[in-house]
Amino acid sequence: GESVGLHLPTLSVQEGDNSIINCAYSNSASDYFIWYKQESGKGPQFIIDIRSNMDKRQGQRVTVLLNKTVKHLSLQIAATQPGDSAVYFCAENRGETSGSRLTFGEGTQLTVNP
Amino acid sequence: DAGITQSPRHKVTETGTPVTLRCHQTENHRYMYWYRQDPGHGLRLIHYSYGVKDTDKGEVSDGYSVSRSKTEDFLLTLESATSSQTSVYFCAISASSNYGYTFGSGTRLTVV
Repeated sequence: GESVGLHLPTLSVQEGDNSIINCAYSNSASDYFIWYKQESGKGPQFIIDIRSNMDKRQGQRVTVLLNKTVKHLSLQIAATQPGDSAVYFCAENRGETSGSRLTFGEGTQLTVNP
Repeated sequence: DAGITQSPRHKVTETGTPVTLRCHQTENHRYMYWYRQDPGHGLRLIHYSYGVKDTDKGEVSDGYSVSRSKTEDFLLTLESATSSQTSVYFCAISASSNYGYTFGSGTRLTVV
């Protein structure tokens, strides 16, 4: 069935490097995308979102890029820090009428090495 | 997590017993959701609510029921717990459709 997925289940980077986490989605009707960060033993935390009328959105040290042509979403983290180590999920809202219903990918484990 | 509380945080129960998990919010958000999280499956939607007494099924609703008698509380009931329902359960809230969710801290449920 349709799903949001991730290209890489794990990513290991050196502290200070930039990280790029990728996500593929399959539903062309999806109009809203979110990245979440989940630390061990905690619930997912909102990082950044983007709507389908945008290609790029920046936050503090994070940038989300949306390529609707190839249905690809990426999260860039600048100057990655040890505190960025976590599982990162992308999620898509398929625009269904009966409420916001996000579908989540399986997650990428980011490990930051000192 | 600010404005959303799940209880209990941990529970061990026996197969065949009913279990109720509670999600309480102080944000007055319209939408509430129950997800389960399992290794290899990510977050999967069990049930959700789009208003008081308005609920609908998600992708993994079998064996679960929900109730929302007031805005602030969304209850998830496992009618007869099975070992396959051992999981971490997350509640989430959203102010409006097409907006991001705020998640609770989760309930770790073990069915033995």
